[in-house]
Order: sequence, then C-alpha cells, then structure tokens
Amino acid sequence: AQKVTQAQTEISVVEKEDVTLDCVYETRDTTYYLFWYKQPPSGELVFLIRRNSFDEQNEISGRYSWNFQKSTSSFNFTITASQVVDSAVYFCALSGDNNAGNMLTFGGGTRLMVKP
Amino acid sequence: DADVTQTPRNRITKTGKRIMLECSQTKGHDRMYWYRQDPGLGLRLIYYSFDVKDINKGEISDGYSVSRQAQAKFSLSLESAIPNQTALYFCATSTHSGYQETQYFGPGTRLLVL
Repeated sequence: AQKVTQAQTEISVVEKEDVTLDCVYETRDTTYYLFWYKQPPSGELVFLIRRNSFDEQNEISGRYSWNFQKSTSSFNFTITASQVVDSAVYFCALSGDNNAGNMLTFGGGTRLMVKP
Repeated sequence: DADVTQTPRNRITKTGKRIMLECSQTKGHDRMYWYRQDPGLGLRLIYYSFDVKDINKGEISDGYSVSRQAQAKFSLSLESAIPNQTALYFCATSTHSGYQETQYFGPGTRLLVL
C-alpha cells in the first residue's frame, strides 16, 4: 500500500519569508514518481513538478525548490521569499510502477497562507 | 482555451437524483481519470479509463458509474445521489509512453447533495 503524509495542515507566514512544506511517503515499489500540485483559492489543481525515484537531484525553479531524499522517504518543497500569490493548498502525490491505473495517492494537503 | 474542461462547474441536487458530470479534453491524451476531493483527505480515484473501450474501478467507485464516449470525453454519473457524495470532483488526463506520465487536472466541479 502507498501512503503520503503531509503533517503540516496549515502554515502561516509573512510575505518574503521562506517556507518549507514537508512530504513523507511510503511505498514498496522500487520505481515510483512523486508530484507536487498547487490548488489556489479558485480551486483548480496546477501541476508543479514530477520527480522519478531514480533521480535524486534536487530541483530549483525560480523561487521554488524541491529536496528529494530517498533515505528519509521525503520530498520537501521550499518557497523562497514567499509572496501573497503563493497562498494556496499544496498537495504532494505518489504513484508507483506497480500501481493499477497509475493511481495517484495524495497527501491531505498543506494550506499555506502568506500575509502581506 | 483550457485543455481539460468540466461541466457543470457547480451543481446543487437533491438526494436520490441522478446527475452526470462531464469532462472533455483537447490534449490528445488517451488516459482519463475521475477523482473526488474531500477536506483533509486529498484526492481519491473513483474510475479511470485508458482508452474508449477500457473502464476500471478506482479506490472509491461505489455509487458511481462512468462512460467513455470518445477519446476526448469521460463522464461520471451518480445514479442516486446521497449527501456524502458532496465533494469537489476532478477530471484528469495523461498520456502513456511506457512509464508514468503526469496527470493534468480540469478546473473541478463542486457538487452539493441536499
């Protein structure tokens, strides 16, 4: 069985602060894929990143960075110099190669509130 | 125009009514999915389809049915709606190239069952 845990249900920061959203996963698959999605107040789900289990390089995209560590089964997401527009619910998700239908297992989400 | 569209965007219905949610995509993807989102639970898979003649149950299919009318269209039906089916419903699409591809989501349909 697969499981994704986002222990932080809500985080509140002041604009320009850095913030890290935690994601811990469980899977028995040797090959798997990790994702982050953003859900702004308007409700849609926006794809942010996909990481394959065989690629442990960290990634940076503008103010966003992701730290993938297989040793701790974590795939954490950091926003540098947060902005009000970053306010959203962020979901971490997992899919394994042996997963029927490429089913995504989602964490419960972290609501990030960035105050001006 | 959006690549994945869902209609209606919002719906209020009564217990026992039949309701259909529709999803269309212009991404040319062969795989389509229906998820529901409940507060604190993330998204859970209801049904998925890998092509027009393929329908598969997901994690929580009871009380739902689907129809894949064409490669670009995937409908979700609630035959007899009940209040605990009140949720945000998402359609998603992906392509297949031998390994896991990213799923792209529609804007969601908010359903309230009274």
